[in-house]
Amino acid sequence: DIQMTQSPSTLSASLGDRVTITCRASQSINTALAWYQQKPGKAPKLLIYTASNLEAGVPSRFSGSGSGTEFTLTISSLQPDDFATYYCQHHRSYPRTFGQGTKVEIK
Amino acid sequence: EVQLVESGGGLVQPGGSLRLSCVVSGFTFSNYWMSWVRQAPGKGLEWVANMNQDGSEKYYVDSVKGRFTISRDNAKNSLYLQMNSLRVEDTAVYYCARDASGWSSKWGQGTLVTVSS
Repeated sequence: DIQMTQSPSTLSASLGDRVTITCRASQSINTALAWYQQKPGKAPKLLIYTASNLEAGVPSRFSGSGSGTEFTLTISSLQPDDFATYYCQHHRSYPRTFGQGTKVEIK
Repeated sequence: EVQLVESGGGLVQPGGSLRLSCVVSGFTFSNYWMSWVRQAPGKGLEWVANMNQDGSEKYYVDSVKGRFTISRDNAKNSLYLQMNSLRVEDTAVYYCARDASGWSSKWGQGTLVTVSS
């Protein structure tokens, strides 16, 4: 199974900050990676697919990059609505594992 | 508007069974792969299973193989998850999701399954 490791687990940031979350795969997954945002008590929401493609309706301050084993999710200027937990997930093979999540908190 | 609505969760004893349902609307159900993803209380997301449009391909995480069965009824726009031999560690919110080339693009609100004596 491919293991996905996110860092950091928790991130404290202020409004307007540039935020970067890293996701590493235990083996190459090319660009078969998605990013999701989840708020407490709510379902996850797709942000990015195939590593760098922005889902329709997602603000352009979100961006994704990477290929192979290392990926990043960047929020260019943190907004109040962005405080949430973020997950990466690969879809290179089965099982389609998620990272453990990164909680973005208010500093 | 795309909607996915799960139901069927509840409290069940260890060793028991439950059948989850997910009724969808707002899109042509028979055109999409569908998935189940779960989240234990206070924990992260865990992919559980998915299946293709006609049910000829099904995949499961190892921890549920032989106990859970994913199925669908395209005429009823419905996805199912039959869960047998439930364990305490199966306690979670279960989400159904519409897949798009491998990732899950739309999600339901989830249904809570609690396995406890």
